[in-house]
This record gives sequence, structure tokens and C-alpha cells, in this order.
Amino acid sequence: GENVEQHPSTLSVQEGDSAVIKCTYSDSASNYFPWYKQELGKRPQLIIDIRSNVGEKKDQRIAVTLNKTAKHFSLHITETQPEDSAVYFCAATHSGNTPLVFGKGTRLSVIA
Amino acid sequence: SAVISQKPSRDICQRGTSLTIQCQVDSQVTMMFWYRQQPGQSLTLIATANQGSEATYESGFVIDKFPISRPNLTFSTLTVSNMSPEDSSIYLCSVDRANYGYTFGSGTRLTVV
Repeated sequence: GENVEQHPSTLSVQEGDSAVIKCTYSDSASNYFPWYKQELGKRPQLIIDIRSNVGEKKDQRIAVTLNKTAKHFSLHITETQPEDSAVYFCAATHSGNTPLVFGKGTRLSVIA
Repeated sequence: SAVISQKPSRDICQRGTSLTIQCQVDSQVTMMFWYRQQPGQSLTLIATANQGSEATYESGFVIDKFPISRPNLTFSTLTVSNMSPEDSSIYLCSVDRANYGYTFGSGTRLTVV
């Protein structure tokens, strides 16, 4: 089955700097890769996703890149703000009613 | 995005008892997924619930411990049976809504004492 590795487990950045979180997946049939932000005591919230027919997707300060050949994808957050502090999870699946497999998460701290 | 109502939001239960968690979705979905999130950990899939058939359980999870019902395309329940302190976790249901991605219920924070 699918296995998703996520690095780093913790990340501290100064406000205004960029943050990058990386994930690798094992199943070459996976074709949907979402990223979730989870604040303390809350449910995971989808912040951006990418499908395997696209190499990059951007939404304001957040971008995701996908390298299908290497089977890795990354989350990029630019101009970080204190409210970006949270735990971020990457996930992978075959799209279409198959469950997500999650990475172990990255705790991001943005220091003002 | 899909609206998923999950309840209870939290409970404190005695060991040896059972708790049933409910998830109601605002539209019909084929599959519903149940996850466990232990303190400070990632989300682990318990089972996939498909209406009209028995749920499919992941390795390490068994039907006797986590029975699931899926009576229709908008509703599912997960029961945590014969609870022990090791079952203390957050339990989340999730659905895949086309164009909205996978969304989660608000979670059930279970504490077993």
C-alpha cells in the first residue's frame, strides 16, 4: 500500500521568511496530493491540493510542486505570518473514493 | 465544501464501556472514511464505509472493536467497544466531495478513564 514520508517534523522560521515542507510517496498510482493545516484542537483543513497532471499550483502565499518521476511533492509558504503556525500534513491517494494516506506532520512555528 | 456534522464532540468514558460516534453529511457520498488521531500524531485510517456492504478495515483494526454502520449514503456510525485508556484519541470521519476535496468532521475527542 501507499506510504507517505514527511520532513521536517518541526520547522521554525522568522516572520516574513519562507517555509518548505517535503513529502515523498511510494505508490506510483497515486494521483492526488492534498495538504492540510491543523490548528490546535481543530479538524484538518484543506489548504491546497495538486493532481498528477499538474507540476505546480499556487494560491496566494501557498504553492505546491509535484515531481512524479521522483515521487515527491512539496509545500511552499512565502511571507510567513504568525497565523501560519500550525501542524501541516501531506497526503496521497488515488483519486475517486479511496482513502487518504497521511504523512506524520510538520509542526511549523512562525516567530514574530 | 461538504458539511459534515459529527457528534459527540467529546466524551469521557469508563473503561469497558462503548461509545458510538455519528457522522451526517449534507449530501450523498459513496464512501465515508474513519480515522483515529492519537495525541500529537498523524491521522491513521481505521476503515472505509461503503453503503450496502461491510466496512473495510485497515491492518490493526478489527470489526469487533470498531463496528461501523452505513445505513444510507449520508450517514455512518463508528463504535469504539470495550474501551481502554489506549483508545483515548480523536476520531474523525471524512468524505471525498468532488471539486471540494476530502473534508473532515469536527472530530470526537475521546478520553477513557
